[in-house]
This record gives sequence, C-alpha cells and structure tokens, in this order.
Amino acid sequence: SQKIEQNSEALNIQEGKTATLTCNYTNYSPAYLQWYRQDPGRGPVFLLLIRENEKEKRKERLKVTFDTTLKQSLFHITASQPADSATYLCALGQNFVFGPGTRLSVLP
Amino acid sequence: ETGVTQTPRHLVMGMTNKKSLKCEQHLGHNAMYWYKQSAKKPLELMFVYNFKEQTENNSVPSRFSPECPNSSHLFLHLHTLQPEDSALYLCASSQGLAGLFNSHEQFFGPGTRLTVL
Repeated sequence: SQKIEQNSEALNIQEGKTATLTCNYTNYSPAYLQWYRQDPGRGPVFLLLIRENEKEKRKERLKVTFDTTLKQSLFHITASQPADSATYLCALGQNFVFGPGTRLSVLP
Repeated sequence: ETGVTQTPRHLVMGMTNKKSLKCEQHLGHNAMYWYKQSAKKPLELMFVYNFKEQTENNSVPSRFSPECPNSSHLFLHLHTLQPEDSALYLCASSQGLAGLFNSHEQFFGPGTRLTVL
C-alpha cells in the first residue's frame, strides 16, 4: 500500500544547530516533492519544491534533497532559530498526499 | 496573509444541523481544494476543483457536499455530520491543477475548526 512517513513526530534541537527532517515514501513515483510549514491553528505555508531530476534545492537557510532511489527527501534548516519551531509537512506533488508532519522545537 | 480566506474560523454544530463553510481566494487561481486535518492524522484531500469543475472526490461521504460557483469561491455544505467529522477543514488554491509535469504550490487558508456534538 502507499505510505508516507516523516522521521519522527517531534524533534527538539538547540538553537544554532542544523535540523534535519526526513520524508520517506513507498509505492509512489512522485515527479516532485514539496515541503510546507504549519504553525498551530493555521494552514500550511509552502516552503520549497524539488523535482525528481534535482538532487538538491536551497532557499536561504533551507536545503532539500531528493533521492528517488531511496524514496527519500531530507529537509535541513541550518543555524536554526526558535522562530523555526513549527510542524513541517512533506507532500508528494501530483498525488496531493501529505505526510503526517514533524513538530520541530528549537530551544534557545 | 496567504490570499485565501475561510469563514467561519470556528463552528460548533449538532448532528442534525446543516451548515456551510466558505472559502474565497484573491489570487486569481484556477484550482481549489478542500482538505480535512484531524488530530494525529495527516492532511486528507477531500475534493479538487479546476475551473469550477470537480476533478476529484476522494471517497468522501455524501454528508459533505462541495460547491464551486466560480474559480474564486468554494463552499462545503455539511449535513447530518458525525462526531468523528470534528476536525480542521482547510481550503487551498493553486494557479493550476498539479499534474505529473505541472507543479503548483498550494496556498492554504487558515481553516475552519469544526466541532460536531
């Protein structure tokens, strides 16, 4: 059956460190993958999109990788700040399917 | 603000009530979506509209009835709901309909928190 997993339900890291979030999927063949941020009581906000022929994408302190062989995407936030605390969702593009999310807490 | 508004933000209704959720996008997008987000569960796609035409119904019970009168407005009509329908209902829009070769980021509204008693 089709499945999307995100490495953990919650992740705590110290301010200034790099946060790494994982998105794994099975029985899908997405042409692209998106990452969203969701704050409590609000809708998700788009962050980055990476296509199957791209290995890496960057935007300011954010970096996404996409390995179609491993069926995995990694989402990195460098020099993390308390303001980065939120739930991060991966989504398999054309399938409109979202992962369960990882709640990131950046501790001062 | 994302350019997608939803009303009401909170709704409490009994199982025999009829209510409607409204979504409006001010982005000039052509595709609109309804999602359900329950506690401890991933976002679930419910309905997809493209140029006012429904393109996807993700096996949603008939007690949820969508309506899309134009590309800017989307409604979700609710009747005889069950307590397990309590959730955050999110509306989203995108420039075009995401497909295998067309990627379109989705812009989400703030959601309607629905409680069914």
